[in-house]
Amino acid sequence: DSGVTQTPKHLITATGQRVTLRCSPRSGDLSVYWYQQSLDQGLQFLIQYYNGEERAKGNILERFSAQQFPDLHSELNLSSLELGDSALYFCASSGGRSNEQFFGPGTRLTVL
Amino acid sequence: DAKTTQPTSMDCAEGRAANLPCNHSTISGNEYVYWYRQIHSQGPQYIIHGLKNNETNEMASLIITEDRKSSTLILPHATLRDTAVYYCIVRVVHNTDKLIFGTGTRLQVFP
Repeated sequence: DSGVTQTPKHLITATGQRVTLRCSPRSGDLSVYWYQQSLDQGLQFLIQYYNGEERAKGNILERFSAQQFPDLHSELNLSSLELGDSALYFCASSGGRSNEQFFGPGTRLTVL
Repeated sequence: DAKTTQPTSMDCAEGRAANLPCNHSTISGNEYVYWYRQIHSQGPQYIIHGLKNNETNEMASLIITEDRKSSTLILPHATLRDTAVYYCIVRVVHNTDKLIFGTGTRLQVFP
């Protein structure tokens, strides 16, 4: 158990819909990262927040947005969903001296 | 971040040592070598990291060559539960650093 929790575990929705994925980092970790893993793209970094502020952006679509709240949990919002958004979405947190990232169990999103 | 090259797949007999190589010939002086693994579709799991000295923890050992252009992750007594994709990542350690995953090595441990 990494200490990072993600909800829900599975999400099935239709094209055009909007969903919210939630992540609670390990206690004390200030950084939260979101990654997407699809079959054809592998694990890709989407966005990072540090203590409530956006710190880095990767290949995140404009239809996607994220935020980190004062209690440090984070949400990833995916809108106008397309079939190609079907993937595993992982959240990771870090804060230790060597900055290793600890990953949650992921949310499997299926867009039908 | 420096690019890494890993074999696509490897096999290992249960109980034997699994030696997973990684080439990172363009590594910079301030970049560390990190190893993560992903078992089936679970979240990636941190294994070990190092700068230039060999490192060992309860999971594995990391051997980094003197010129730092390559490294080897060693699982001393592989078990079936070590079957996973292993990622070698080179990165500078600071708070803004995302992980850049390559395709990794798929390790299959067989009975």
